[in-house]
Amino acid sequence: EAQVTQNPRYLITVTGKKLTVTCSQNMNHEYMSWYRQDPGLGLRQIYYSMNVEVTDKGDVPEGYKVSRKEKRNFPLILESPSPNQTSLYFCASSLEGAGRNIQYFGAGTRLSVL
Amino acid sequence: AQTVTQSQPEMSVQEAETVTLSCTYDTSESDYYLFWYKQPPSRQMILVIRQEAYKQQNATENRFSVNFQKAAKSFSLKISDSQLGDAAMYFCAYRSAGGTSYGKLTFGQGTILTVHP
Repeated sequence: EAQVTQNPRYLITVTGKKLTVTCSQNMNHEYMSWYRQDPGLGLRQIYYSMNVEVTDKGDVPEGYKVSRKEKRNFPLILESPSPNQTSLYFCASSLEGAGRNIQYFGAGTRLSVL
Repeated sequence: AQTVTQSQPEMSVQEAETVTLSCTYDTSESDYYLFWYKQPPSRQMILVIRQEAYKQQNATENRFSVNFQKAAKSFSLKISDSQLGDAAMYFCAYRSAGGTSYGKLTFGQGTILTVHP
């Protein structure tokens, strides 16, 4: 089944404790992206990747890191989480090219930083 | 930077009626994509409809259609014959089709749609 898989689905942590949210897709998509969703703000892009070893900042990259060493994986790293990073996070992927660019989303990760 | 604005935080409609959700955007680009996504209580993001800016014809998907006004930078979603299952948060989104912003995707704030039986 074609899908984007995020883990974990729920995470409670404390300020300053490094964490990684994994994202994997099995559709051979070039493009992958991370978003955070907050009430009244919609989804905001954190980082995106056009292909392996190619990443770029979205609108809210501060406090986050990403890497794209393999095409299928795009982990989101919070080196020192803070309470303002409490949010709902989504990973998404898509094929690139004319007539494509339709993003498939993971199920979301609810993160609470205490 | 591109911005997307959904000016209706909440909308409601009677079952079987028609409702239109508004979206405006600001960009200096000529080539881009526009999307409407649906987010039901399960939180899953589901693509509803997609429009390419170079196409003048409005996109349609069954009961869903858009009114794309490129000059006015408007992209509204019309839902016909509304069903209870249409109740969700709806997001409008913009994506650059090239240039230095290629890959960036901007969402609006969302509109909560309630469907009354």
